[in-house]
Amino acid sequence: GENVEQHPSTLSVQEGDSAVIKCTYSDSASNYFPWYKQELGKRPQLIIDIRSNVGEKKDQRIAVTLNKTAKHFSLHITETQPEDSAVYFCAASPSGGSNYKLTFGKGTLLTVNP
Amino acid sequence: GAVVSQHPSRVICKSGTSVKIECRSLDFQATTMFWYRQFPKQSLMLMATSNEGSKATYEQGVEKDKFLINHASLTLSTLTVTSAHPEDSSFYICSAQRTRDFYYNEQFFGPGTRLTVL
Repeated sequence: GENVEQHPSTLSVQEGDSAVIKCTYSDSASNYFPWYKQELGKRPQLIIDIRSNVGEKKDQRIAVTLNKTAKHFSLHITETQPEDSAVYFCAASPSGGSNYKLTFGKGTLLTVNP
Repeated sequence: GAVVSQHPSRVICKSGTSVKIECRSLDFQATTMFWYRQFPKQSLMLMATSNEGSKATYEQGVEKDKFLINHASLTLSTLTVTSAHPEDSSFYICSAQRTRDFYYNEQFFGPGTRLTVL
């Protein structure tokens, strides 16, 4: 099955700096890579996703890059703000068909210091 | 769009009782829903895949007789924790799959249910 590794497990940055979280996956059949943000005691929120037919996707201060050859993808947050502080999870899955399963990384606790 | 509700948000029960958790997709139909379990400071662990009109598919190590799943309609899946014990205490989160096309599915999560078994 799929295995997703996520690094770092914790990340502390100053407000305004950039944050980068990296994930690797093992299953070459995976072609959908979402990122979720989870605040303490809350549900994971989909913040951005990328499919394997593109190498990069950007949404305001958030961007995701994908290197399918190397089987890794990264989340980039620019101009970080204290409200970006949360746990971020990457995930991978094959898409297509009637259902699919997400395999999650172990999460990164991001702390943005004012 | 893409709102998923979950009820109850918190439940405290005595050991040996059963607890039912509901997951609803409010503004889209979901033929597939997923049930996860999350321990403090850990990632989401998939327990089972719930398919409307058919039996759920359980992940390895998850007892299907203990965690009963029913996906009765395109907007509702339920998880029943039977004969709950303290080790079943956890945060249970459902997600509903929204299908855009054959190759593009998104998962949206419910707010979770905090189960405490005394």
